[in-house]
Amino acid sequence: DTAVSQTPKYLVTQMGNDKSIKCEQNLGHDTMYWYKQDSKKFLKIMFSYNNKELIINETVPNRFSPKSPDKAHLNLHINSLELGDSAVYFCASSQPYTGQMNTEAFFGQGTRLTVV
Amino acid sequence: QKEVEQDPGPLSVPEGAIVSLNCTYSNSAFQYFMWYRQYSRKGPELLMYTYSSGNKEDGRFTAQVDKSSKYISLFIRDSQPSDSATYLCATVAGTASKLTFGTGTRLQVTL
Repeated sequence: DTAVSQTPKYLVTQMGNDKSIKCEQNLGHDTMYWYKQDSKKFLKIMFSYNNKELIINETVPNRFSPKSPDKAHLNLHINSLELGDSAVYFCASSQPYTGQMNTEAFFGQGTRLTVV
Repeated sequence: QKEVEQDPGPLSVPEGAIVSLNCTYSNSAFQYFMWYRQYSRKGPELLMYTYSSGNKEDGRFTAQVDKSSKYISLFIRDSQPSDSATYLCATVAGTASKLTFGTGTRLQVTL
């Protein structure tokens, strides 16, 4: 059973289009994330949600809008796609980092977005 | 300047070699330190997790943290071709609820 699953795995689209990436986790975690990995493998957080509430928004352009309908799902909608948006987008989930336990973040397989 | 710096490599070693991967960080608030391994076209997976300064060993892997110099290391003994992957160090500051990653080091273990 896949713990964190995201769809689609590959996405090729033209500049200016709007697209969505979906993510679901079956681990019962309260916190979900979107990370962006560039061509040099640098993984940078974009958003974090805890129990459907946005808690981290790391200076991401407002063309990116996350939506969490429930704590098991976190989708990412991107408007007016630009060439620079080409990257691999990873969804992840974990329990909140409370400092009390060994907290592990589980990552999905990634969505490889190519804007042409 | 990134909060966590890591030599991107690539690092190529022969099978059986001892590998040393390193990161430095700038934020004293970072309390938890992790190493993630990422195979090609896959998501990162947690390899090791440590909280305090010192060493933590798990099989062929040893994680080392020196908070006084803000230095994180991962040692791999008897490296295997299956260890070929990108290794990402990561840190968490208390209850910040986010992982801050290094840039990753690509490791290739050759036969």
